[in-house]
Amino acid sequence: GEDVEQSLFLSVREGDSSVINCTYTDSSSTYLYWYKQEPGAGLQLLTYIFSNMDMKQDQRLTVLLNKKDKHLSLRIADTQTGDSAIYFCAESGGATNKLIFGTGTLLAVQP
Amino acid sequence: KAGVTQTPRYLIKTRGQQVTLSCSPISGHRSVSWYQQTPGQGLQFLFEYFSETQRNKGNFPGRFSGRQFSNSRSEMNVSTLELGDSALYLCASSFPTGVGPNTGELFFGEGSRLTVL
Repeated sequence: GEDVEQSLFLSVREGDSSVINCTYTDSSSTYLYWYKQEPGAGLQLLTYIFSNMDMKQDQRLTVLLNKKDKHLSLRIADTQTGDSAIYFCAESGGATNKLIFGTGTLLAVQP
Repeated sequence: KAGVTQTPRYLIKTRGQQVTLSCSPISGHRSVSWYQQTPGQGLQFLFEYFSETQRNKGNFPGRFSGRQFSNSRSEMNVSTLELGDSALYLCASSFPTGVGPNTGELFFGEGSRLTVL
């Protein structure tokens, strides 16, 4: 069945780059998403990538997609303390808004 | 432009009761989907509505139901509440996939936090 996996925790120092990784199993995935969740809040859409793309850059965020290995990564440049949150990777088949989410990666930014 | 609005934000119920949660999508969005978030199971898809029709349903018991109105607002209902139904219920809206401009953007509300005692 469909499955999305992420590492549980990442700790970085302020100013460094963060790389959060995700693997998925559904080869028919059309869209792959990154969401951010702060304590007590909903999900904030950070960025998404269409499956026929290899890379997408949006200000401090860079998404890399390796479709052959079904691997997705999110790089945050110049990580700030305000980036501390849980980051979720998700995939969808495109014809529906049914997203399959990963378990989330807790990013802790040390000052 | 207002975001996805969910009400109520917090509620406490007792076992056996029922609950109705409401979601108003972003203006112009016609597709609404619902998710349950718990510490144990993570984020799980409940159902998706477009044009008042349920297009997709997750693996939840029949106690979980939903509907969409002609103005795209959606409600979900949970009957005969169990302790395990305590969760953050999230609603998301988007342009309908496959119809019109499909940007792939799916926006979430702040959620309704349900506690069942």
